Amino acid sequence: ETGVTQSPTHLIKTRGQQVTLRCSSQSGHNTVSWYQQALGQGPQFIFQYYREEENGRGNFPPRFSGLQFPNYSSELNVNALELDDSALYLCASSLDVLSGDTQYFGPGTRLTVL
Amino acid sequence: AQTVTQSQPEMSVQEAETVTLSCTYDTSESDYYLFWYKQPPSRQMILVIRQEAYKQQNATENRFSVNFQKAAKSFSLKISDSQLGDAAMYFCASRDYGQNFVFGPGTRLSVLP
Repeated sequence: ETGVTQSPTHLIKTRGQQVTLRCSSQSGHNTVSWYQQALGQGPQFIFQYYREEENGRGNFPPRFSGLQFPNYSSELNVNALELDDSALYLCASSLDVLSGDTQYFGPGTRLTVL
Repeated sequence: AQTVTQSQPEMSVQEAETVTLSCTYDTSESDYYLFWYKQPPSRQMILVIRQEAYKQQNATENRFSVNFQKAAKSFSLKISDSQLGDAAMYFCASRDYGQNFVFGPGTRLSVLP
C-alpha cells in the first residue's frame, strides 16, 4: 500500500505567477484535503474534494482552486501568487469523507514566492 | 465553528521521563474526533493517536496516551519513556463528523539526553 505523495518537493515562483501542486492519494482513499502551513503555525484548511467534487472550503480566496481526478489524485492551483502564499502545502487523503476517518498526510510542497 | 487551542508553544523533557502536552477545543457537535499529530523536522505529519468523542475510554498507543475530558473539552497527550525521536512539533486537531480538520498552533517538544 503506497502512502500519500506530493510533487514537487520545493518550488520557487515570483509574485503574480501561477503554480500547480500535485498530490497522489493513498490507495483506496476517495477524499483529499489541502492545507496551507505557514512557518511556525498549524495547517490551515484550504478545501476538500470527495469523488471529484469540492466538498468544503476554508477561508481562502478564489485564486486557490483545485481538481480531483477519477483516480483520486488531486491538484492545487494558485493564481496571481502573493508573497504571503509562501508556505508548506500539505495534502491529506482519507478513506471516506463521511466516516470521520483519519487523514494521512503527504510530505508537503514548500512554495517560496519572491 | 471548531477551535483548537494549545497553550504551550514549547515543552522539554528529559529522555526516559514523561511529559504531558495540553490541548483544549471547542465544538458545538456531540459527535466528533480528536487527534494528535507529530511533525518532525522532515515535516511529514504523522498520526500519533486518535480519540472518538463517544468513547469514554482514553485511547492509548504504546508509549502515547490521552486524557480526554469531554465536559471540560480537554484532550491532553502523555508521552511516557520519552525518546530522542519524539522531538517534533505536536499538533492537536479536531474533526466534526463529516467535516474537516481544525488544527491547533502546535507545541514544540524537545527531548534532552
